[in-house]
Amino acid sequence: QLVESGGALVQPGGSLRLSCAGSDSTFSRSWMSWVRQAPGKGLEWVAIMDRDGSSKFYVASVRGRFTISRDNAKNSLYLQLDGLRAEDTAIYYCALHNDWAFDCRGQGTLVTVSS
Amino acid sequence: QSALTQPPSASGSPGQSITISCTGTSSDIGRHDHVSWYQQHPGKAPRLMIYEVSQRPSGVPDRFSGSKSGNTASLTVSGLQVEDEADYYCCTYSHPSNYVFGSGTTVSVL
Repeated sequence: QLVESGGALVQPGGSLRLSCAGSDSTFSRSWMSWVRQAPGKGLEWVAIMDRDGSSKFYVASVRGRFTISRDNAKNSLYLQLDGLRAEDTAIYYCALHNDWAFDCRGQGTLVTVSS
Repeated sequence: QSALTQPPSASGSPGQSITISCTGTSSDIGRHDHVSWYQQHPGKAPRLMIYEVSQRPSGVPDRFSGSKSGNTASLTVSGLQVEDEADYYCCTYSHPSNYVFGSGTTVSVL
């Protein structure tokens, strides 16, 4: 089970920090990722990081603006969103990443960027 | 990186089989077996149905199967059921360190 939180309405150029709380030991053993879905649109991979946080990768459209991080002691994953744009409006899902696939076990959190 | 190409829609009657295609390039789908498929019902999170081209996670009915030929991966749903009506997305790893989803296919059970 994964529980995302932190989504909100924010103005263009603003910042948000999303959180994802895991409930068992599978969290610390897994690469973790964020996937988003704009209203009425398809899925888009956003960011991924390895088990100890030493490797992080981002989709080109968010590189330099978003930062993925984790705290294994708290079974928690984070996504810092800076310099938000209207096109970042989406539901953000966190996902366990194993065997080159995404396992989304939460309901997501909605980020709306609008003035 | 462009999205993988999927047909916008597919349909079938209960009990029938349908196949959804997902076309990439020799740089992604054609290069390795890191292809996954997701089912998404309206208002719900995506559910992993297939990973590594043809592997099913625990709990996924064996009516769902995956395959790949060249640059195209496919998801087949056999014995279609009403609850299979949903959106389906494919996804693949794209070197270096990037993941690309398909455009999505809406499956209707007539």
